[in-house]
Amino acid sequence: GAGVSQSPSNKVTEKGKDVELRCDPISGHTALYWYRQSLGQGLEFLIYFQGNSAPDKSGLPSDRFSAERTGGSVSTLTIQRTQQEDSAVYLCASRITGTGGWSEQFFGPGTRLTVL
Amino acid sequence: ILNVEQSPQSLHVQEGDSTNFTCSFPSSNFYALHWYRWETAKSPEALFVMTLNGDEKKKGRISATLNTKEGYSYLYIKGSQPEDSATYLCAFSSSNTGKLIFGQGTTLQVKP
Repeated sequence: GAGVSQSPSNKVTEKGKDVELRCDPISGHTALYWYRQSLGQGLEFLIYFQGNSAPDKSGLPSDRFSAERTGGSVSTLTIQRTQQEDSAVYLCASRITGTGGWSEQFFGPGTRLTVL
Repeated sequence: ILNVEQSPQSLHVQEGDSTNFTCSFPSSNFYALHWYRWETAKSPEALFVMTLNGDEKKKGRISATLNTKEGYSYLYIKGSQPEDSATYLCAFSSSNTGKLIFGQGTTLQVKP
């Protein structure tokens, strides 16, 4: 079946503009995660969804960042008034839960965001 | 603050060499330790997940060990091949939510 998909694959925007990044998880995966990798940094957790709710959004760097998930499926990460430090690769991952034991997290190919 | 450290940051080896990387993580509140391989322009791919102290996992020429009491894991690659060139990430989780805390990765380049 299809893996995790993300769109767009690349996004160049001007400082101050809003952007929306989309994630389509694997069908049936109840948990969804957003991470980002800034230049020279490791992958950094942003937010976690279980179904449509976000029990952990502790990694969102500021109130300019928000995310939602609808229908237990697609998720959108929105960055308002983008700044140059928002430039990064944004990765989405999903996994199935409730099966007992550990389940693997599957990653999408990422969206490379460049803020000029 | 949960800190996951990986070393070395980068490594260049010749084809056929064996190599190993280190991941250190908090020894308290341990739930699982993960290794991922991330090739350029691809998605990170899970290699191993280990949950018990003393766990050893093997997949072809790649193996990993886990010491939760002292907070470290080793990843070994035997007889490196050019296709092993990638960034190897380790990630720590302290609960079953799946939230992963990643190290900065070790970038391996294998020269033919």
